[in-house]
Amino acid sequence: AQSVTQLDSQVPVFEEAPVELRCNYSSSVSVYLFWYVQYPNQGLQLLLKYLSGSTLVKGINGFEAEFNKSQTSFHLRKPSVHISDTAEYFCAVSDSANFGNEKLTFGTGTRLTIIP
Amino acid sequence: EAQVTQNPRYLITVTGKKLTVTCSQNMNHEYMSWYRQDPGLGLRQIYYSMNVEVTDKGDVPEGYKVSRKEKRNFPLILESPSPNQTSLYFCASSPSGSSPLHFGNGTRLTVT
Repeated sequence: AQSVTQLDSQVPVFEEAPVELRCNYSSSVSVYLFWYVQYPNQGLQLLLKYLSGSTLVKGINGFEAEFNKSQTSFHLRKPSVHISDTAEYFCAVSDSANFGNEKLTFGTGTRLTIIP
Repeated sequence: EAQVTQNPRYLITVTGKKLTVTCSQNMNHEYMSWYRQDPGLGLRQIYYSMNVEVTDKGDVPEGYKVSRKEKRNFPLILESPSPNQTSLYFCASSPSGSSPLHFGNGTRLTVT
């Protein structure tokens, strides 16, 4: 069985500062990895995904994430945040050999708050 | 506009009173799913449907029912709601089981 750990439930960051949101996963097989973002009073939307190939993945709104197999991590980064980045961010993992949304496991989320 | 539409957005009800939360998508997606979101627990899957007339249990199906009689609609039914079903519910769809999900805006349910 796979699992996802987002160690930080809340991350406050000053505007224009860099941010890293941490995600670690546990799985006995190869995985696909995702970051979803949830803006206030909205549903989740896909930020970026890692399926294969380059371990550095670029997403929307200037975010990127790096897949590190040895550390079983998929941390999300942005070099300079804006007020509009205030949202909750969810990491998700799926077994690549049997990938299907029915097998997608979400983390508990990290609430990113941007301080003006 | 391509979207997943859930209704209602907010619902307050009493224990035992049957309710239905509707979900409709206009993207001709094969796959649809229901999640509940609770503080500290993230999103947990309730039921999913790979196609019309095909549904299956997710991680937390107890107390819920679903149906998929047509491709666009996937209602969530609570036959006898209880306070522990107070939560934020999301419907999601995707073109196939292996494509990224499109989410509705959520339904906040309170059961007293």
